[in-house]
Amino acid sequence: AQTVTQSQPEMSVQEAETVTLSCTYDTSESDYYLFWYKQPPSRQMILVIRQEAYKQQNATENRFSVNFQKAAKSFSLKISDSQLGDAAMYFCASPTSSGGGADGLTFGKGTHLIIQP
Amino acid sequence: DAGVTQSPTHLIKTRGQHVTLRCSPISGHKSVSWYQQVLGQGPQFIFQYYEKEERGRGNFPDRFSARQFPNYSSELNVNALLLGDSALYLCASSLETGLFYEQYFGPGTRLTVT
Repeated sequence: AQTVTQSQPEMSVQEAETVTLSCTYDTSESDYYLFWYKQPPSRQMILVIRQEAYKQQNATENRFSVNFQKAAKSFSLKISDSQLGDAAMYFCASPTSSGGGADGLTFGKGTHLIIQP
Repeated sequence: DAGVTQSPTHLIKTRGQHVTLRCSPISGHKSVSWYQQVLGQGPQFIFQYYEKEERGRGNFPDRFSARQFPNYSSELNVNALLLGDSALYLCASSLETGLFYEQYFGPGTRLTVT
């Protein structure tokens, strides 16, 4: 079974500082996408950033960037210049593959990010 | 463009009852997936449908079923509800199915079983 592990149940960061959320995953696929989703208290899952596994360059979306280490199956999310609106649960996700295509996404248990003003 | 929509927003049912949850994907998206999110956990995959056919199923009992309609909307049905079925049910749509397509989520349906 595919697994996604987020080892930090909760992280706290001062406003305007930088924080890194960790994620490791397990897959037998060679090419795939990886995703970070944000879920604020309103509960809507919002796609933050995606990484294409066949690209060596780390993805960046404004203040959000990833550190992707394919060999280590590590996919961390860095948030720069943290803002109060970044407070949320963050989930790492990888496709669940049955060999003929993705069945869905496998999610980690999430990291609760707290922003201290 | 409208995002993924789900109805109803909240639902309260009694043990043993049946429930139907509905989802409309983003216009042009052909694939719909369903997830169950228990409080404090990440979403767990239930079903994926593509072009009206089931493409995958997670580790859920046969009490859970789903279907996709010609307009790509979808229904999730749960029979003989148990207290443990209380959760947020999320629907996600993607343009196609496969390892290289992003899934966009709806706001969810909060199901409470008493």
